Amino acid sequence: QSALTQPASVSGSPGQSITISCTGTSSDVGSYNLVSWYQQHPGNAPKLIIYEASKRPSGVSNRFSGSKSGNTASLTISGLQAEDEADYYCCSYAGSSTWVFGGGTKLTVL
Amino acid sequence: QLQLQEAGPGLVKSSETLSLTCTVSGGSISSSSYFWGWIRQPPGKGLEWIGSMYYNGNTYNNPSLKSRVTTSVDTSKNQFSLKLSSVTAADTAVYYCVRLLTAQGVFDVWGKGTTVTVSS
Repeated sequence: QSALTQPASVSGSPGQSITISCTGTSSDVGSYNLVSWYQQHPGNAPKLIIYEASKRPSGVSNRFSGSKSGNTASLTISGLQAEDEADYYCCSYAGSSTWVFGGGTKLTVL
Repeated sequence: QLQLQEAGPGLVKSSETLSLTCTVSGGSISSSSYFWGWIRQPPGKGLEWIGSMYYNGNTYNNPSLKSRVTTSVDTSKNQFSLKLSSVTAADTAVYYCVRLLTAQGVFDVWGKGTTVTVSS
């Protein structure tokens, strides 16, 4: 079970859009729609922002959106705001009641 | 509102066993809709799923840690636990207990996390 692959860092200016990719294999992301994304600010526990690849929990801004194609899931944040600066992690079901996370992506708002 | 609270030693000696307990408040651990689990985060690094368990005692663990991990549920105390044996410095991390909403496959409730340092 290998970690999902995410870019180590991305950056964007306020108001812009950025996309974070999450690449897995046919044994995890490619086989299941159970991909979720988490936002983590320093010193805090992660917070769920996307589930089932593209659904938003109640209370999460509609500036956050998710998609999946083949073995790759993506998180897009539109209209970047300073408060979006955080670490972002994807997570996928990997079969047999096991789960795998991505290595995380640090988002910097310039 | 459901809350999770981790408890256990903040310092463990190398080669010994790390033991943590998570207390569930504001809800029942015996709900059929959820698993309960542990996730850790080494300093400056990413998240790693350790294991999940169901209220009936069924447990599922990360294959990379499987032989060292023991997880259990105590429904009478509304608690679940983690034991990690033969720890090394690589096991130094913030350990989170979490609720896993099974149908949607999300870790929807997290504890605040507890830092465990392995010392030599």
